[in-house]
Amino acid sequence: DTGVSQNPRHKITKRGQNVTFRCDPISEHNRLYWYRQTLGQGPEFLTYFQNEAQLEKSRLLSDRFSAERPKGSFSTLEIQRTEQGDSAMYLCASSLEKGGTDTQYFGPGTRLTVL
Amino acid sequence: DAKTTQPPSMDCAEGRAANLPCNHSTISGNEYVYWYRQIHSQGPQYIIHGLKNNETNEMASLIITEDRKSSTLILPHATLRDTAVYYCIVRVSNSGGGADGLTFGKGTHLIIQP
Repeated sequence: DTGVSQNPRHKITKRGQNVTFRCDPISEHNRLYWYRQTLGQGPEFLTYFQNEAQLEKSRLLSDRFSAERPKGSFSTLEIQRTEQGDSAMYLCASSLEKGGTDTQYFGPGTRLTVL
Repeated sequence: DAKTTQPPSMDCAEGRAANLPCNHSTISGNEYVYWYRQIHSQGPQYIIHGLKNNETNEMASLIITEDRKSSTLILPHATLRDTAVYYCIVRVSNSGGGADGLTFGKGTHLIIQP
């Protein structure tokens, strides 16, 4: 399968613990996006990378959240000192920017439950 | 806030065409209309996008009004597997300085009835 992959698919953690999610984009896609989706709502943008550079962060991305994309390939999203309000589906998308508009393709998501 | 307005839910009989409306009356000249759908507990799936002209692919057709203030997504022969939440999104082009994340609203919950 050559789509966007995310691991793990499910994560249960206790409040206060740190968690890290991984996203592998479609090969050769130069943009990578992170979103968060809570129950009953549409996905909300968190941050995006163009190659290895993190170019935009949403105000939703608190100081406890950090994202990296070393070498412009896979990306990781870390949440430190998790809170119950962090329980959500975390979605990754990738796209190929080549002028005009770029179409984002989403992965299956990582569902986080904070107890 | 989302720049689009969609009905919260719609029903359609299996085998019939499903027509999903979207209002984007404040759309700018350099903004595209995108449609995604999300089946329960899965990631959003890209369907189609357009700027001015009508578009068709293997999944659906997109009809954009001449003034670009509204559009309709058409699923020509709906099946039970098309039951999902459908999101209409406007997004500025890359040349317009846009590389933002997509702004999702609440979408339309389309239910295909057997």
